[in-house]
Amino acid sequence: NAGVMQNPRHLVRRRGQEARLRCSPMKGHSHVYWYRQLPEEGLKFMVYLQKENIIDESGMPKERFSAEFPKEGPSILRIQQVVRGDSAAYFCASSPSSGANEQFFGPGTRLTVL
Amino acid sequence: AQSVTQLDSQVPVFEEAPVELRCNYSSSVSVYLFWYVQYPNQGLQLLLKYLSGSTLVKGINGFEAEFNKSQTSFHLRKPSVHISDTAEYFCAVVSGGYQKVTFGIGTKLQVIP
Repeated sequence: NAGVMQNPRHLVRRRGQEARLRCSPMKGHSHVYWYRQLPEEGLKFMVYLQKENIIDESGMPKERFSAEFPKEGPSILRIQQVVRGDSAAYFCASSPSSGANEQFFGPGTRLTVL
Repeated sequence: AQSVTQLDSQVPVFEEAPVELRCNYSSSVSVYLFWYVQYPNQGLQLLLKYLSGSTLVKGINGFEAEFNKSQTSFHLRKPSVHISDTAEYFCAVVSGGYQKVTFGIGTKLQVIP
């Protein structure tokens, strides 16, 4: 059973470009979470999704960021018109259900904005 | 609202010495507590978790933690550290039965040979 997969592992973008980060949850997991880790900071919750639904996006910046988890395929975190401040590690986690279950984390995507 | 405080940003310790990484939380409802470890350039791996029951929780790699409700703490301990324990450790809390996890800022454990 493969773990949570994220790609790409490293992504370099110039200011103003778009970044697309993909997350494939563990098999059988229908809940996906995205977190952002800025340098010298802990992980900050961004968004919680179930298949085809955004459950909680209270941690998402109001502009340029969006997330989806379609019925088929991976979850996508999309950042439009990236700025240098978007440079961070973005982690995806998945769980089989809601409640106090363990979240399984992917290896992260490290985004660098030039 | 829930929050997590990790008081020590860096903890140097000699190999084979004991270590304690401190974590305090605040929440208005019952909580579930976690410790994760992050090795360089990797994702987070669960060390241990407290959901209910015994307040002393044992995890992987010889780590343990004790839930103290009166002091709202969940400190992580290991009696004898190894070089391979060098990593960053994150305390996390989930409250209200909902899986929105709040993380502390992390503690970097540096094991000195």
